Amino acid sequence: DVKVTQSSRYLVKRTGEKVFLECVQDMDHENMFWYRQDPGLGLRLIYFSYDVKMKEKGDIPEGYSVSREKKERFSLILESASTNQTSMYLCASSLRFGEQFFGPGTRLTVL
Amino acid sequence: AQSVAQPEDQVNVAEGNPLTVKCTYSVSGNPYLFWYVQYPNRGLQFLLKYITGDNLVKGSYGFEAEFNKSQTSFHLKKPSALVSDSALYFCAVRGSDSNYQLIWGAGTKLIIKP
Repeated sequence: DVKVTQSSRYLVKRTGEKVFLECVQDMDHENMFWYRQDPGLGLRLIYFSYDVKMKEKGDIPEGYSVSREKKERFSLILESASTNQTSMYLCASSLRFGEQFFGPGTRLTVL
Repeated sequence: AQSVAQPEDQVNVAEGNPLTVKCTYSVSGNPYLFWYVQYPNRGLQFLLKYITGDNLVKGSYGFEAEFNKSQTSFHLKKPSALVSDSALYFCAVRGSDSNYQLIWGAGTKLIIKP
């Protein structure tokens, strides 16, 4: 079974802090994705990566950056957290044209 | 523009009755269609997909979906609903000439009443 793990289930940070969200997959998938999920807005893509060191902006990249130094790991970085970044963050991975497999999510609260 | 619509925010069904969760789409090229389910405070779980072939696709937990090209729809169905099917359901699509991104519907909350 594909396993996608995220570093934290719940996270509380202060405004202005730098926040790192880590995601690791164990199935040698080429693609990795970061989404945020908010009530009534569904899933919105922040960034995705189709290979090591490669990244593309999604629909809402502002205020976020990503890093993929190894194939199995995809990090989401909030350079200076703000209250409007309070959300559920979901990581996913997939083969090049396959279905996406999701991690359990990180619920981030920015105070 | 590419899009996915789930016209119902919520669907209520009595346990034991058949259920349908609706999805329509608009993409360029041939569609690759997916259904996912999300239980409270959990990530999304893959249910089923349509890539090509038989229009009726069977997936996990007794769910199936029917691809209708003329109506550009991919409705999720189950013959007999269980209370444990209560969850949030998402439809997603990718066009055959698109990159790796999926276009997501807004989600439909399915409530199964005993």
